[in-house]
Amino acid sequence: GQNIDQPTEMTATEGAIVQINCTYQTSGFNGLFWYQQHAGEAPTFLSYNVLDGLEEKGRFSSFLSRSKGYSYLLLKELQMKDSASYLCAVMDSNYQLIWGAGTKLIIKP
Amino acid sequence: DADVTQTPRNRITKTGKRIMLECSQTKGHDRMYWYRQDPGLGLRLIYYSFDVKDINKGEISDGYSVSRQAQAKFSLSLESAIPNQTALYFCATSIGGYDTGELFFGEGSRLTVL
Repeated sequence: GQNIDQPTEMTATEGAIVQINCTYQTSGFNGLFWYQQHAGEAPTFLSYNVLDGLEEKGRFSSFLSRSKGYSYLLLKELQMKDSASYLCAVMDSNYQLIWGAGTKLIIKP
Repeated sequence: DADVTQTPRNRITKTGKRIMLECSQTKGHDRMYWYRQDPGLGLRLIYYSFDVKDINKGEISDGYSVSRQAQAKFSLSLESAIPNQTALYFCATSIGGYDTGELFFGEGSRLTVL
């Protein structure tokens, strides 16, 4: 079966750095996505990785290792507004998205 | 105004009732999707449509039906609602083709079936 694993919840301090991991087992691979979802709101796109390596976008970076079936989202200089759930999703060989359950990130002052 | 609009935003209904959730978009995208989100689970695809004449079942289509009335409109129906269909429902769109596949979500419709 297809599976996406990410931690259920993480806590970090304002101003710090946090890394949210995602491991996947899917039928084929056509890219990995990270979305941010504030409580009660719609998910919004953060990043897309299809090749190995690090993609940096401001305070957020996303890393992919296809051979290890692994990705992480790195958030720097954490702000209170970063408190949200972070969803990892993989596009499989049929171009269908397989979603993880999401990681709830709690930022403390 | 939101680019992807869902109505209603909240709905409480009783078991056995027919419910329709509507989605309209102004993004001009061909592809539209209906997902449900439950606590502790990933988003699950119910139905998707790549254009007006194309309707496809997703992972959990049983108990649901859809209608693509126009490029901009995609409706989800629950013919006879049951309590385990209580969930947060999202409509989404994407450009299509060999793009990144980024999804643009509506604000969600929270459905409670008593």
